[in-house]
Amino acid sequence: DAGVIQSPRHEVTEMGQEVTLRCKPISGHNSLFWYRQTMMRGLELLIYFNNNVPIDDSGMPEDRFSAKMPNASFSTLKIQPSEPRDSAVYFCASSFDLEEDTQYFGPGTRLTVL
Amino acid sequence: AQKVTQAQTEISVVEKEDVTLDCVYETRDTTYYLFWYKQPPSGELVFLIRRNSFDEQNEISGRYSWNFQKSTSSFNFTITASQVVDSAVYFCALSEVSGNTPLVFGKGTRLSVIA
Repeated sequence: DAGVIQSPRHEVTEMGQEVTLRCKPISGHNSLFWYRQTMMRGLELLIYFNNNVPIDDSGMPEDRFSAKMPNASFSTLKIQPSEPRDSAVYFCASSFDLEEDTQYFGPGTRLTVL
Repeated sequence: AQKVTQAQTEISVVEKEDVTLDCVYETRDTTYYLFWYKQPPSGELVFLIRRNSFDEQNEISGRYSWNFQKSTSSFNFTITASQVVDSAVYFCALSEVSGNTPLVFGKGTRLSVIA
């Protein structure tokens, strides 16, 4: 069975550029989560969706960050404009339901903003 | 508010030694779930175990075992006869059924197993 799929796996961009990260959750999962991992702050939940609807985006650091889930099989996390401090590994995870089920993580996207 | 504490930042052991990773949690809920994830050097986060608050039975899976004690709010993870492939960062996490945050992670414990 396919797990959570993320693309790209690595992204290097220059400050000020727009970055779009993509995620395909496990088929049949109703909840999707975006996390950011840095050495300084560890794993942070940015935003999560249930049945394609954003439930809580309080973890999104700034207005430069936005996320969408247009359908059950696709989500994007966009950073515009990107800054060097956005450099991190971004994980997408999905679960069958919101709170009572295990979250399965994608391989992550390593973002470097120069 | 829910909180997970992994007091051990880094642990180093020699291969074949047993090692226990500590996890202490805080919650006001009576119904919650506890998890362990492994993050090997390759970077992915791998699910290891999920435990609900009503099941205090210890679990064993091969060389891995978990000790859940509600009385001390702990969910410790033991690797028996450690191997180099066990080297990773291990995260403990908590999910409250009625909480606002689906999953709260501890800071992780970096385990290094030396041959």
